[in-house]
Amino acid sequence: GENVEQHPSTLSVQEGDSAVIKCTYSDSASNYFPWYKQELGKGPQLIIDIRSNVGEKKDQRIAVTLNKTAKHFSLHITETQPEDSAVYFCAASKGRTSYDKVIFGPGTSLSVIP
Amino acid sequence: GAGVSQTPSNKVTEKGKYVELRCDPISGHTALYWYRQSLGQGPEFLIYFQGTGAADDSGLPNDRFFAVRPEGSVSTLKIQRTERGDSAVYLCASSRSGASNTGELFFGEGSRLTVL
Repeated sequence: GENVEQHPSTLSVQEGDSAVIKCTYSDSASNYFPWYKQELGKGPQLIIDIRSNVGEKKDQRIAVTLNKTAKHFSLHITETQPEDSAVYFCAASKGRTSYDKVIFGPGTSLSVIP
Repeated sequence: GAGVSQTPSNKVTEKGKYVELRCDPISGHTALYWYRQSLGQGPEFLIYFQGTGAADDSGLPNDRFFAVRPEGSVSTLKIQRTERGDSAVYLCASSRSGASNTGELFFGEGSRLTVL
């Protein structure tokens, strides 16, 4: 089955700097790659996603890139703010409009230092 | 209050006891998922419902775990003969299905289970 790895496990950046989180996946049939943010005591919340027919997607300060050949994808957060501090999970799935279970990575704990 | 609701938020039980965790999905969402999250880990898939039926239960760790969704809305995750290793946060998520499905999972805040 699908296996998603994520690095680094913890990341500290100064406010205003950029943060990058990298993930790899094992199943070449995966075609949908969401990123979730989880704050303490809350459930994960989708922040951005990308499908396999797209190499890059941007939404304000957040961008994702996907390299299907290498089976890796990355999250980039620019101009980080203290409220970006949270745990971030990458995930992979074989479906968007049809069902497939979403497999999550182990998470990256991001701390933005004011 | 249109989000996914999970009860109880906290459950402490003794080893060997039976536990039920409830999930009330977003109205109109036909897909419902259960995940388990241990401390410092990502959510681990347990089971998925499409309507009333379990479409994929490949993540249930053993036959002590069972989930139902009899009317296609509320779901209950049932754990028999609990073990200390079952201690975790159990997350429920729902999503739209078919053509209106964006792929987004809407998670509840979870039920924290502690087995003493």
